[in-house]
Amino acid sequence: DIQMTQSPSSVSASVGDRVTITCRASQGISRWLVWYQQKPGKAPKLLIYTASSLQSGVPSRFSGSGSGTDFTLTISSLQPEDFATYYCQQAKIFPYTFGQGTKLEIK
Amino acid sequence: QVQLQESGPGLVKPSETLSLTCAVSGGSISSSNWWSWVRQSPGKGLEWIGEIFHSGSTNYNPSLKSRVTISLDKSKNQFSLKLSSVTAADTAVYYCARVSILAAGTIDYWGQGTLVTVSS
Repeated sequence: DIQMTQSPSSVSASVGDRVTITCRASQGISRWLVWYQQKPGKAPKLLIYTASSLQSGVPSRFSGSGSGTDFTLTISSLQPEDFATYYCQQAKIFPYTFGQGTKLEIK
Repeated sequence: QVQLQESGPGLVKPSETLSLTCAVSGGSISSSNWWSWVRQSPGKGLEWIGEIFHSGSTNYNPSLKSRVTISLDKSKNQFSLKLSSVTAADTAVYYCARVSILAAGTIDYWGQGTLVTVSS
């Protein structure tokens, strides 16, 4: 299975900050990378697919980049509703696998 | 707006079979989407269990393949998960989900999730 490693595991930031989360795949996955946001007690929500395509309805302050093994999710200006846990997932080879998550907390 | 709703027992005894159903509304299970099951536990994080297409084709996670069956009921617009010989390690929140037609392996709609505890 392809292993997905996110860093950092947690990050503290303030409203208005720019935040970047990194995801690394154990082998090349081209641009088959997905980002989800999850809030406590809720299902994950799709933010970005194929590394940089923004899901309909997702604010433009979210962006994704990367290809091969290294990817990033950037939130340009944090809003109060963005404090959550973020997961990357590879969609190249079944079984699709997820990173361990990055918890974004309020500073 | 597609909606998915899981149902099934919240408590299953060790060695028994976990059975869950996902009712789909606002969309047809016969569409060109794959339909999947994903689980989430504190110990293993998010884990893709398997998926099924309207033709009946399935993909199962090799780590669970010997114990998993995913099936469709087109007449009821729902799909189901069976996981046999469960242990405490199968305790998790189980989500049913729709895979996007825009990108393989990308979930665009999720159920709310249902907690299944394996305990005697």
